[in-house]
Amino acid sequence: DQQVKQNSPSLSVQEGRISILNCDYTNSMFDYFLWYKKYPAEGPTFLISISSIKDKNEDGRFTVFLNKSAKHLSLHIVPSQPGDSAVYFCAAIGAGGTSYGKLTFGQGTILTVHP
Amino acid sequence: GAVVSQHPSWVICKSGTSVKIECRSLDFQATTMFWYRQFPKQSLMLMATSNEGSKATYEQGVEKDKFLINHASLTLSTLTVTSAHPEDSSFYICSARTGVDQPQHFGDGTRLSIL
Repeated sequence: DQQVKQNSPSLSVQEGRISILNCDYTNSMFDYFLWYKKYPAEGPTFLISISSIKDKNEDGRFTVFLNKSAKHLSLHIVPSQPGDSAVYFCAAIGAGGTSYGKLTFGQGTILTVHP
Repeated sequence: GAVVSQHPSWVICKSGTSVKIECRSLDFQATTMFWYRQFPKQSLMLMATSNEGSKATYEQGVEKDKFLINHASLTLSTLTVTSAHPEDSSFYICSARTGVDQPQHFGDGTRLSIL
Protein backbone atom coordinates (compact mmCIF):
# COMPACT_ATOMS: atom_id res chain seq x y z
CA ASP A 1 0.00 0.00 0.00
CA GLN A 2 1.72 3.14 -1.24
CA GLN A 3 0.80 5.87 1.24
CA VAL A 4 2.83 8.55 -0.51
CA LYS A 5 2.56 8.66 -4.28
CA GLN A 6 4.44 10.56 -6.91
CA ASN A 7 2.56 9.64 -10.03
CA SER A 8 4.94 11.26 -12.49
CA PRO A 9 8.12 9.21 -12.81
CA SER A 10 9.80 11.97 -14.79
CA LEU A 11 9.53 15.63 -15.71
CA SER A 12 11.41 17.59 -18.34
CA VAL A 13 11.61 21.39 -18.15
CA GLN A 14 13.43 24.15 -20.00
CA GLU A 15 15.96 26.20 -18.07
CA GLY A 16 14.38 29.33 -16.60
CA ARG A 17 10.88 27.86 -16.55
CA ILE A 18 8.94 26.61 -13.57
CA SER A 19 9.20 22.98 -12.44
CA ILE A 20 6.19 21.61 -10.60
CA LEU A 21 6.56 18.27 -8.83
CA ASN A 22 3.46 16.68 -7.38
CA CYS A 23 2.80 14.34 -4.51
CA ASP A 24 -0.34 12.73 -3.09
CA TYR A 25 -0.80 10.95 0.21
CA THR A 26 -3.48 8.78 1.71
CA ASN A 27 -2.66 8.65 5.43
CA SER A 28 -4.50 11.37 7.33
CA MET A 29 -2.07 10.87 10.25
CA PHE A 30 0.71 12.52 8.27
CA ASP A 31 1.33 16.00 9.62
CA TYR A 32 4.76 16.99 8.33
CA PHE A 33 5.99 16.82 4.78
CA LEU A 34 9.42 17.08 3.26
CA TRP A 35 11.06 17.20 -0.13
CA TYR A 36 14.43 15.61 -0.74
CA LYS A 37 16.69 15.84 -3.76
CA LYS A 38 18.91 12.95 -4.76
CA TYR A 39 21.81 12.73 -7.18
CA PRO A 40 23.09 9.35 -8.40
CA ALA A 41 25.34 7.55 -5.91
CA GLU A 42 24.51 10.06 -3.18
CA GLY A 43 22.05 10.08 -0.33
CA PRO A 44 18.95 12.28 -0.40
CA THR A 45 19.51 15.90 0.55
CA PHE A 46 16.85 17.74 2.50
CA LEU A 47 15.34 20.61 0.48
CA ILE A 48 12.30 22.04 2.15
CA SER A 49 9.51 21.02 4.49
CA ILE A 50 6.05 22.08 5.51
CA SER A 51 3.93 21.48 8.57
CA SER A 52 0.30 20.53 8.16
CA ILE A 53 -0.75 23.76 9.88
CA LYS A 54 0.56 25.72 6.89
CA ASP A 55 -0.37 25.72 3.25
CA LYS A 56 2.79 27.27 1.84
CA ASN A 57 6.47 27.46 2.66
CA GLU A 58 9.03 29.29 0.58
CA ASP A 59 12.82 29.10 0.54
CA GLY A 60 14.56 30.90 -2.27
CA ARG A 61 13.66 29.28 -5.58
CA PHE A 62 11.76 26.49 -3.85
CA THR A 63 8.17 26.69 -2.67
CA VAL A 64 6.10 23.87 -1.26
CA PHE A 65 2.32 24.03 -1.30
CA LEU A 66 0.09 21.82 0.82
CA ASN A 67 -3.60 21.15 0.20
CA LYS A 68 -4.74 19.10 3.18
CA SER A 69 -8.28 18.58 2.00
CA ALA A 70 -7.00 17.09 -1.24
CA LYS A 71 -4.10 15.32 0.51
CA HIS A 72 -1.82 16.83 -2.09
CA LEU A 73 1.43 18.74 -2.02
CA SER A 74 3.63 20.17 -4.68
CA LEU A 75 7.13 21.55 -5.03
CA HIS A 76 7.67 24.54 -7.30
CA ILE A 77 11.13 25.44 -8.52
CA VAL A 78 11.41 28.87 -10.13
CA PRO A 79 13.46 29.49 -12.16
CA SER A 80 14.64 25.98 -12.95
CA GLN A 81 18.36 25.48 -13.50
CA PRO A 82 20.27 22.59 -15.11
CA GLY A 83 21.83 21.86 -11.70
CA ASP A 84 18.36 21.08 -10.40
CA SER A 85 18.32 17.92 -12.50
CA ALA A 86 18.00 15.08 -9.99
CA VAL A 87 15.48 12.71 -8.46
CA TYR A 88 13.04 14.45 -6.13
CA PHE A 89 11.39 12.51 -3.33
CA CYS A 90 8.34 13.59 -1.43
CA ALA A 91 8.20 12.27 2.13
CA ALA A 92 5.76 12.43 5.00
CA ILE A 93 5.95 11.94 8.76
CA GLY A 94 3.09 10.62 10.85
CA ALA A 95 1.72 12.35 13.92
CA GLY A 96 0.80 9.20 15.75
CA GLY A 97 0.09 5.53 15.66
CA THR A 98 2.52 3.24 13.94
CA SER A 99 3.66 6.00 11.59
CA TYR A 100 4.76 8.36 14.39
CA GLY A 101 8.04 10.04 13.58
CA LYS A 102 8.75 7.79 10.61
CA LEU A 103 9.47 9.03 7.11
CA THR A 104 7.42 7.48 4.34
CA PHE A 105 8.78 8.21 0.87
CA GLY A 106 7.16 8.51 -2.51
CA GLN A 107 8.65 6.72 -5.50
CA GLY A 108 10.50 9.79 -6.71
CA THR A 109 10.32 11.96 -9.83
CA ILE A 110 13.27 12.40 -12.14
CA LEU A 111 13.57 16.07 -13.04
CA THR A 112 15.60 17.03 -16.09
CA VAL A 113 16.22 20.72 -16.75
CA HIS A 114 17.43 21.41 -20.27
CA PRO A 115 19.73 24.36 -20.97
CA GLY B 1 26.15 21.27 9.15
CA ALA B 2 24.18 18.06 9.66
CA VAL B 3 26.57 15.74 7.87
CA VAL B 4 25.99 12.01 7.96
CA SER B 5 28.79 9.73 6.86
CA GLN B 6 28.15 6.17 5.76
CA HIS B 7 30.84 3.57 5.21
CA PRO B 8 31.61 1.64 3.09
CA SER B 9 30.01 3.09 -0.02
CA TRP B 10 30.30 -0.16 -1.97
CA VAL B 11 30.72 -3.77 -0.92
CA ILE B 12 31.02 -6.89 -3.04
CA CYS B 13 31.28 -10.16 -1.18
CA LYS B 14 30.54 -13.86 -1.37
CA SER B 15 27.30 -15.45 -0.28
CA GLY B 16 27.33 -16.39 3.40
CA THR B 17 29.49 -13.47 4.44
CA SER B 18 28.36 -11.01 7.09
CA VAL B 19 28.71 -7.34 6.20
CA LYS B 20 28.78 -4.38 8.56
CA ILE B 21 27.76 -0.88 7.47
CA GLU B 22 28.51 2.15 9.63
CA CYS B 23 26.52 5.34 9.89
CA ARG B 24 27.99 8.35 11.70
CA SER B 25 26.63 11.79 12.41
CA LEU B 26 29.73 13.96 12.09
CA ASP B 27 28.68 17.31 13.49
CA PHE B 28 25.63 16.62 15.58
CA GLN B 29 24.30 14.12 18.07
CA ALA B 30 21.60 11.90 16.67
CA THR B 31 19.01 10.69 19.13
CA THR B 32 17.51 8.55 16.41
CA MET B 33 18.96 6.89 13.35
CA PHE B 34 17.08 5.12 10.60
CA TRP B 35 18.03 2.42 8.13
CA TYR B 36 16.46 2.26 4.70
CA ARG B 37 16.72 -0.07 1.75
CA GLN B 38 16.12 0.85 -1.86
CA PHE B 39 15.54 -1.54 -4.71
CA PRO B 40 16.12 -0.33 -8.28
CA LYS B 41 13.49 2.15 -9.44
CA GLN B 42 11.64 1.93 -6.14
CA SER B 43 11.28 4.21 -3.18
CA LEU B 44 13.32 4.15 -0.02
CA MET B 45 11.76 1.65 2.37
CA LEU B 46 12.28 2.03 6.09
CA MET B 47 13.81 -1.08 7.62
CA ALA B 48 14.27 -0.07 11.23
CA THR B 49 14.50 2.79 13.68
CA SER B 50 17.21 2.86 16.28
CA ASN B 51 17.48 5.01 19.35
CA GLU B 52 20.78 5.33 21.17
CA GLY B 53 21.14 2.79 23.93
CA SER B 54 18.01 0.80 23.17
CA LYS B 55 16.95 -1.98 20.86
CA ALA B 56 16.02 -1.12 17.30
CA THR B 57 12.40 -1.16 16.19
CA TYR B 58 12.01 -3.15 12.99
CA GLU B 59 9.37 -2.61 10.35
CA GLN B 60 7.02 -5.42 9.47
CA GLY B 61 8.63 -7.99 7.25
CA VAL B 62 12.21 -7.11 8.19
CA GLU B 63 14.09 -9.96 9.87
CA LYS B 64 15.81 -8.62 12.97
CA ASP B 65 18.11 -11.65 13.18
CA LYS B 66 19.16 -11.03 9.60
CA PHE B 67 19.71 -7.29 9.89
CA LEU B 68 21.40 -6.55 13.19
CA ILE B 69 21.35 -2.92 14.26
CA ASN B 70 23.47 -1.43 17.00
CA HIS B 71 23.24 2.19 18.09
CA ALA B 72 25.98 2.34 20.68
CA SER B 73 26.46 6.09 20.82
CA LEU B 74 24.77 9.33 19.79
CA THR B 75 26.95 9.50 16.70
CA LEU B 76 27.20 5.91 15.49
CA SER B 77 24.80 3.23 14.34
CA THR B 78 25.76 0.02 12.56
CA LEU B 79 23.80 -2.35 10.37
CA THR B 80 25.14 -5.88 10.00
CA VAL B 81 23.71 -8.04 7.26
CA THR B 82 24.33 -11.55 8.58
CA SER B 83 25.00 -14.49 6.27
CA ALA B 84 24.22 -12.36 3.25
CA HIS B 85 22.72 -13.93 0.14
CA PRO B 86 22.22 -12.57 -3.39
CA GLU B 87 18.68 -11.46 -2.56
CA ASP B 88 20.15 -9.12 0.06
CA SER B 89 21.90 -7.20 -2.68
CA SER B 90 20.53 -3.69 -2.55
CA PHE B 91 21.23 -0.07 -1.73
CA TYR B 92 21.23 0.54 2.01
CA ILE B 93 21.07 4.05 3.37
CA CYS B 94 20.99 5.52 6.84
CA SER B 95 19.68 8.78 8.20
CA ALA B 96 19.92 10.64 11.47
CA ARG B 97 18.05 13.38 13.22
CA THR B 98 18.41 15.33 16.45
CA GLY B 99 14.75 15.35 17.37
CA VAL B 100 11.29 14.27 16.27
CA ASP B 101 10.53 17.69 14.81
CA GLN B 102 13.80 17.86 12.88
CA PRO B 103 14.39 16.64 9.32
CA GLN B 104 16.35 13.48 8.75
CA HIS B 105 19.77 13.88 7.17
CA PHE B 106 21.00 11.08 5.02
CA GLY B 107 24.27 9.34 4.39
CA ASP B 108 25.36 8.61 0.82
CA GLY B 109 24.32 4.98 1.02
CA THR B 110 26.04 1.62 0.62
CA ARG B 111 25.73 -0.46 -2.50
CA LEU B 112 25.82 -4.11 -1.39
CA SER B 113 26.37 -6.80 -3.99
CA ILE B 114 26.36 -10.43 -2.90
CA LEU B 115 27.81 -12.89 -5.38
